[in-house]
Amino acid sequence: GAGVSQSPSNKVTEKGKDVELRCDPISGHTALYWYRQSLGQGLEFLIYFQGNSAPDKSGLPSDRFSAERTGGSVSTLTIQRTQQEDSAVYLCASSFRDSNYGYTFGSGTRLTVV
Amino acid sequence: AQSVAQPEDQVNVAEGNPLTVKCTYSVSGNPYLFWYVQYPNRGLQFLLKYITGDNLVKGSYGFEAEFNKSQTSFHLKKPSALVSDSALYFCAVRPGSARQLTFGSGTQLTVLP
Repeated sequence: GAGVSQSPSNKVTEKGKDVELRCDPISGHTALYWYRQSLGQGLEFLIYFQGNSAPDKSGLPSDRFSAERTGGSVSTLTIQRTQQEDSAVYLCASSFRDSNYGYTFGSGTRLTVV
Repeated sequence: AQSVAQPEDQVNVAEGNPLTVKCTYSVSGNPYLFWYVQYPNRGLQFLLKYITGDNLVKGSYGFEAEFNKSQTSFHLKKPSALVSDSALYFCAVRPGSARQLTFGSGTQLTVLP
């Protein structure tokens, strides 16, 4: 596609429920990143995928968070047993090879846990 | 570990005046530095980057940034601000050994007409 596509754009969920956030990167971009942007905070790195290599999961805040990338393209970020502190905008970005080329960000998914 | 500091949460400037958004960094080795802009309800957009070479980098929308190694700074500048420049600006750094970017906390720029 022409840009990075994220869905849904908004998600309201009840505390304790599981949610899945989807990211469709730019075609040909081998690197894919998930970040979290909380109100008044900067961007917090969550996870990084590069090609077929093992993902860098060092930013995932707890074992309730997981992500996968199927076929080197679409990625899904899953949050299990959501908590109110998980409320944030979840941003996905992709780049050609690595971040030297700059990221292209999606518009994000605004997650609200009530 | 690498870090980025944007010391000003908010910068206000009159339209037509020069603007500066400050960024300092801490990283081992040679840094790769970036500026991104975020408009309301939009994703971040790439403005410019410094990898190597000339310390003055020119980017999109008339913005430029100067890499200063001795002061570990990478301030964003524009000679003449526009109201449409009002947005949230993020500085980011990547040390040579890492793959992901570390972002600052952001600076809200407001250009007053």
